[in-house]
Amino acid sequence: TQLLEQSPQFLSIQEGENLTVYCNSSSVFSSLQWYRQEPGEGPVLLVTVVTGGEVKKLKRLTFQFGDARKDSSLHITAAQPGDTGLYLCAGDRYGGATNKLIFGTGTLLAVQP
Amino acid sequence: EAQVTQNPRYLITVTGKKLTVTCSQNMNHEYMSWYRQDPGLGLRQIYYSMNVEVTDKGDVPEGYKVSRKEKRNFPLILESPSPNQTSLYFCASSLYGKGDEQYFGPGTRLTVT
Repeated sequence: TQLLEQSPQFLSIQEGENLTVYCNSSSVFSSLQWYRQEPGEGPVLLVTVVTGGEVKKLKRLTFQFGDARKDSSLHITAAQPGDTGLYLCAGDRYGGATNKLIFGTGTLLAVQP
Repeated sequence: EAQVTQNPRYLITVTGKKLTVTCSQNMNHEYMSWYRQDPGLGLRQIYYSMNVEVTDKGDVPEGYKVSRKEKRNFPLILESPSPNQTSLYFCASSLYGKGDEQYFGPGTRLTVT
């Protein structure tokens, strides 16, 4: 059972379009991180959200943590080819007895020029 | 330069031949972990280590071993590799634990025939 489900799995859009990626769970998380991974490289952290309802902006990227801290979304405005990559959410499970970090299934984004 | 290094980057081997993938970080991080990445499954944690001599199982530990004799190194050992261990492997480190930014290595692509 995957604790963190991402949707959509794949997304191919034209430059200039807007898009939203979702990261959902039935579990509560203390924090959620978003990473971007480019081909041939390891994931790189974009942002960490900690408070329920929190919204963080990183240039054209807007991240939101759900009020109940069970879900998160990533919205990209006016996508550019440089946004192409695999987007991964990762959660620190609230009250978890272990120190395992849980990653979502990933969303592969392709932005066509 | 702060980084996580992994070696080798690519490895093709045969079933049953023991192998070790090395991982080293130069950031004095306490927490280190290994992941495997397979299409459609995202990143799954194999093992993690909170500190020297402290290791624990992640979600998919079967067939793998790790050791943490020094803070900077966290090798991944496959005693008897099998074809289902063909995957892309990432080592990561963070300052203290799962809630901190994870710094990933460049990945090791392993093929077991």
